[in-house]
Amino acid sequence: AQSVTQPDIHITVSEGASLELRCNYSYGATPYLFWYVQSPGQGLQLLLKYFSGDTLVQGIKGFEAEFKRSQSSFNLRKPSVHWSDAAEYFCAVGAAGGSYIPTFGRGTSLIVHP
Amino acid sequence: DTAVSQTPKYLVTQMGNDKSIKCEQNLGHDTMYWYKQDSKKFLKIMFSYNNKELIINETVPNRFSPKSPDKAHLNLHINSLELGDSAVYFCASSPSGGAWDTQYFGPGTRLTVL
Repeated sequence: AQSVTQPDIHITVSEGASLELRCNYSYGATPYLFWYVQSPGQGLQLLLKYFSGDTLVQGIKGFEAEFKRSQSSFNLRKPSVHWSDAAEYFCAVGAAGGSYIPTFGRGTSLIVHP
Repeated sequence: DTAVSQTPKYLVTQMGNDKSIKCEQNLGHDTMYWYKQDSKKFLKIMFSYNNKELIINETVPNRFSPKSPDKAHLNLHINSLELGDSAVYFCASSPSGGAWDTQYFGPGTRLTVL
């Protein structure tokens, strides 16, 4: 079965600073990888996803993520954080074949200081 | 137009009561899901329906019963509510239920059991 680890429960950055949120996955084959964002009081929204091809994926709101097979990682980055980026970020993995049971990480809460 | 809607947004009730949460999607998707998000933000899938048929039923007490009258609706009925059922419940949909699909989430229903 696949699993996802987000090692950071909280991350605090200053507005305008760069951001990297970590995600490690465990799965035997190449997984489908996702990053979702949850603003306060809202449902989750897809930022970006990866399955194959270029390992650097561009998403909405200026986010990007890089798939590194050797490190089983799919870290999310943004060069300059805005106050409106304060939210909960979830990494998720999907596995092809059989019944699809999406697995989400526990989430990383991003706090942005002015 | 709201893509995935849930009602009610908040639900406060006493232990032992029975309650329902309704979900509707207007995206034309074939697959719908129910997730439970606990107080630590951990998101766990409960059920998945594809074209009105149950395809995923995770380890959930049988007090929880999903019902899908058509592929645009997936309701969740909970019998004999317990304190531990307090959580935010999210409905989601995806085009076909495949591992590559983006999931579209509703705004959530915050259930508080007193």
